[in-house]
Amino acid sequence: GENVEQHPSTLSVQEGDSAVIKCTYSDSASNYFPWYKQELGKRPQLIIDIRSNVGEKKDQRIAVTLNKTAKHFSLHITETQPEDSAVYFCAASGLYNTDKLIFGTGTRLQVFP
Amino acid sequence: DADVTQTPRNRITKTGKRIMLECSQTKGHDRMYWYRQDPGLGLRLIYYSFDVKDINKGEISDGYSVSRQAQAKFSLSLESAIPNQTALYFCATSAWRDHTDTQYFGPGTRLTVL
Repeated sequence: GENVEQHPSTLSVQEGDSAVIKCTYSDSASNYFPWYKQELGKRPQLIIDIRSNVGEKKDQRIAVTLNKTAKHFSLHITETQPEDSAVYFCAASGLYNTDKLIFGTGTRLQVFP
Repeated sequence: DADVTQTPRNRITKTGKRIMLECSQTKGHDRMYWYRQDPGLGLRLIYYSFDVKDINKGEISDGYSVSRQAQAKFSLSLESAIPNQTALYFCATSAWRDHTDTQYFGPGTRLTVL
């Protein structure tokens, strides 16, 4: 089955700096890669996702890149702000088949003012 | 997301007790999921349901059972709770018809088994 590894487990950056979180997956059939943000005491919420037919997707300060050959994908946050502090989870599943959405173990991002 | 609700929000129980966690949604979604969150382990899928008559085991179904009473309701039961089932439990929903695969999570239930 699918296995998703996520690094680093914790990440501290200064406000305004960039943050990068990386994930690798094992199942080459996986086609859908979402990223969820979970603020302290809150529920996970989708912030961006990417499908295998594209290599990069951007939404304001957030971008995700996908390398299908290497089976890894990354979340990039530019111009970080204190409100970006949260736990970020990557996940992977087959296209239109979220029954096996497998999550990474999470990255705790701290943005210091 | 107020459209997905979970009850109770917190529960403390004793080893051996039967516990039911409930999830309701008003999003009209057909797919529902139960996850367990433990520190350092991320979110792990317990059970999922594509519609009322469809129930499937996830990664860690042992010790758990589920019931899909209606399209909008999906319950998770621990028949005989044990301390290592202490965790944060999330329900989630998604809509196949949307083809977006986005899962919407409930607020979570924090369960402590003594």
